[in-house]
Amino acid sequence: TQLLEQSPQFLSIQEGENLTVYCNSSSVFSSLQWYRQEPGEGPVLLVTVVTGGEVKKLKRLTFQFGDARKDSSLHITAAQPGDTGLYLCAGVLFGANNLFFGTGTRLTVIP
Amino acid sequence: NAGVTQTPKFQVLKTGQSMTLQCAQDMNHEYMSWYRQDPGMGLRLIHYSVGAGITDQGEVPNGYNVSRSTTEDFPLRLLSAAPSQTSVYFCASSYGPSFEQFFGPGTRLTVL
Repeated sequence: TQLLEQSPQFLSIQEGENLTVYCNSSSVFSSLQWYRQEPGEGPVLLVTVVTGGEVKKLKRLTFQFGDARKDSSLHITAAQPGDTGLYLCAGVLFGANNLFFGTGTRLTVIP
Repeated sequence: NAGVTQTPKFQVLKTGQSMTLQCAQDMNHEYMSWYRQDPGMGLRLIHYSVGAGITDQGEVPNGYNVSRSTTEDFPLRLLSAAPSQTSVYFCASSYGPSFEQFFGPGTRLTVL
């Protein structure tokens, strides 16, 4: 069992639809990051959230950090084919010196 | 800046062989880490380093060794390759675990 579980594991939607990806844990994190990875490349940071209840927006992407700092969500409005990729959450536990990644959500947006 | 570089890009080994995956960064980052990526499991931390001369184990360290003699370089050594080590390996660097991780392009390793 991994520290951060993401759901769904796979998501295939039509262009223009909305979607939400979830990142859940039973542990408390000091900060949480979201990355997007395209085939054959390394992950690229989208956002970092550090305060419980924090909401950050990046164009059509909205990120939320849970009040209890155990979970996070990524909501995409009006998905576009360019949003296709593997979305990964990653968190740092309080007092820890390393970053744990979630299991990933593979998103496909069909034109 | 080249960012994070990894070599080789692809490698095929036979069971029992050893090899070193190279990783270098030119951003003067203190924190470097190695991950392996397997289908359905995201990225799992193998080893990490908070500075030259300091390394520590991650989630899946067995079968791998690391050293950090300089800030720039963080090689990963496979001591005796096993088919279970077939994976894509990523090296990353940053100012610390809570900061943006800059990833290399990855090494795809197959162990026969």
